[in-house]
Amino acid sequence: KAGVTQTPRYLIKTRGQQVTLSCSPISGHRSVSWYQQTPGQGLQFLFEYFSETQRNKGNFPGRFSGRQFSNSRSEMNVSTLELGDSALYLCASSPGTGYEQYFGPGTRLTVT
Amino acid sequence: DQQVKQNSPSLSVQEGRISILNCDYTNSMFDYFLWYKKYPAEGPTFLISISSIKDKNEDGRFTVFLNKSAKHLSLHIVPSQPGDSAVYFCAASDLTDKLIFGTGTRLQVFP
Repeated sequence: KAGVTQTPRYLIKTRGQQVTLSCSPISGHRSVSWYQQTPGQGLQFLFEYFSETQRNKGNFPGRFSGRQFSNSRSEMNVSTLELGDSALYLCASSPGTGYEQYFGPGTRLTVT
Repeated sequence: DQQVKQNSPSLSVQEGRISILNCDYTNSMFDYFLWYKKYPAEGPTFLISISSIKDKNEDGRFTVFLNKSAKHLSLHIVPSQPGDSAVYFCAASDLTDKLIFGTGTRLQVFP
């Protein structure tokens, strides 16, 4: 089976812009979660989607949003980018609750 | 409020010896625990997990121990190999798919 794929792998944006990141889960996986990794903060949970519905949400401002499509692919959007949004954004998929999550390689976002 | 803590940011072990990585948690609602390994420029790779109804789970060279009363888990790697050099994250979840990660421990295995 192909793994979790994320596009793009690298992105450079300017403060105030918005960005959309894409994630394709492992075939058959219906749950997609997003995480932000920054130095010193580890991985922090953003949100989780299952069957096109957001089931869980982390403690991030409303500038961070996401959605999931009927084919389980997911997108994450960040509006009005700030310098502090520079991070590695990781997407993970799983068959559902109680299963381990499998991560993609991440999208490295740099905000200048 | 860090619910999952990895107090050792780094660990250095000689090849062939045992590596012990530790993790503490504060939320008694956590019922599923996982360890992930991460290489630079890659996403975390799932290693091993343990349910709160068990106190030990073994998979090849990797064993995870859970002490619920102490809210502590550990990952043992025996024998350690140079290819094990990576950052190891412990993670916990309750009945949802939300994983709470520790800040990671960088393991270096030297010859």
